[in-house]
Amino acid sequence: QVQVVEFGGGVVQPGRSLRVSCVGSGFTFNSYSFHWVRQAPGKGLEWLANISDDWKTYYEDSVRGRFTISRDNSKNTVYLEMNSLRPDDTALYYCTRDGMNLGEMDHWGQGTLVTVS
Amino acid sequence: IQLTQSPSSLSASVGDRVTITCRASQPISHYLAWYQQKPGQAPNLLIYAASTVQSGVPSRFSGSGSGTEFTLTISSLQPEDSATFYCHQVKSYPRTFGGGTKVEIK
Repeated sequence: QVQVVEFGGGVVQPGRSLRVSCVGSGFTFNSYSFHWVRQAPGKGLEWLANISDDWKTYYEDSVRGRFTISRDNSKNTVYLEMNSLRPDDTALYYCTRDGMNLGEMDHWGQGTLVTVS
Repeated sequence: IQLTQSPSSLSASVGDRVTITCRASQPISHYLAWYQQKPGQAPNLLIYAASTVQSGVPSRFSGSGSGTEFTLTISSLQPEDSATFYCHQVKSYPRTFGGGTKVEIK
């Protein structure tokens, strides 16, 4: 069955970097685009970045220049490299698959927690 | 594109009809999705293209609207529907979500 699973969260000091990963399985990985979405404790959903199947990338203004999304189709993996981390980047980071209908996020991982402290 | 959901929370009884509204700051045609997030879980896709119900989602969930005003309706609220619901515009980047509507069962 279709799965996306995130890895790599943890506790990191302000100003440092962290890379989180997302592995997809159960589908043709290189045919899909992917998003990263985060949710701060007790807050709503915030879209961060997208990478398309043809490698185009898009970013939310508040993370452009600090975060970089990339993919490695040979490993069925999407990455989010986060630099200059701040305490307000503390959140649960979700990887989502972009469905092939009208841009909906049809599969979500369970999230990986990043704590900047 | 900003999305404004209303109400931010509601309390209703089992069997009630519940309607949540999402307003976009500019026209987005039918490029809207709805998600349900239960406590401690990842969000789950309910509706895409404003009114198409995702496979496996109970038929009591429906969506409507186009342009700038959209609604999510639960025709007969069930105990397992206690959750927060989010709208999401997929018309353009940066993608955005509404602030969420928390639905509680009386």
